[in-house]
Amino acid sequence: AQTVTQSQPEMSVQEAETVTLSCTYDTSESDYYLFWYKQPPSRQMILVIRQEAYKQQNATENRFSVNFQKAAKSFSLKISDSQLGDAAMYFCAYRKGGSEKLVFGKGTKLTVNP
Amino acid sequence: NAGVTQTPKFQVLKTGQSMTLQCAQDMNHEYMSWYRQDPGMGLRLIHYSVGAGITDQGEVPNGYNVSRSTTEDFPLRLLSAAPSQTSVYFCASSYSGLYQETQYFGPGTRLLVL
Repeated sequence: AQTVTQSQPEMSVQEAETVTLSCTYDTSESDYYLFWYKQPPSRQMILVIRQEAYKQQNATENRFSVNFQKAAKSFSLKISDSQLGDAAMYFCAYRKGGSEKLVFGKGTKLTVNP
Repeated sequence: NAGVTQTPKFQVLKTGQSMTLQCAQDMNHEYMSWYRQDPGMGLRLIHYSVGAGITDQGEVPNGYNVSRSTTEDFPLRLLSAAPSQTSVYFCASSYSGLYQETQYFGPGTRLLVL
């Protein structure tokens, strides 16, 4: 079974600084997708960024980018120029190709200090 | 579009009571699913459906029933609530098939079983 591990239960960053959240996963599949979801205090799950395993280029979305290391099965999220609104729980998730089922990590709570 | 809606937002039950958590989407998505989120855990898949009339079990299906009579609705039933079912429940939907579309999450239902 696929597993997703987020080794940092909590992280903090100063406003305007850069922070990296870690995620590793375990799979024997070659076709899969990886996601980072943000969950603010409102509890709404918001997609931050997605990465297709077949793409070598790392995905970017404005201040958010990933470092996808396929051989190491690592998928970290970098947040640049951190803003107070970035404070939230961040979940890494995996989905096998051809399946809609998401497997989530346990999350990292990010605090942004002014 | 309203997106994915869930009702109620919050519910208190006594052990042994039954209830139905409602989920609806107006995006004509084939795929719908239910997750539960417990403290210190990521989201875990309860049940899912790839289309009307088709449902299947996820990672933690015990104690829950689902049915999918229409494309729009995917209710989750607790037949005899237990304190272990105290959790936050999320419904999600997406297009299904080859294109691995992003899943959209509802706002969640917080359930407390006494």
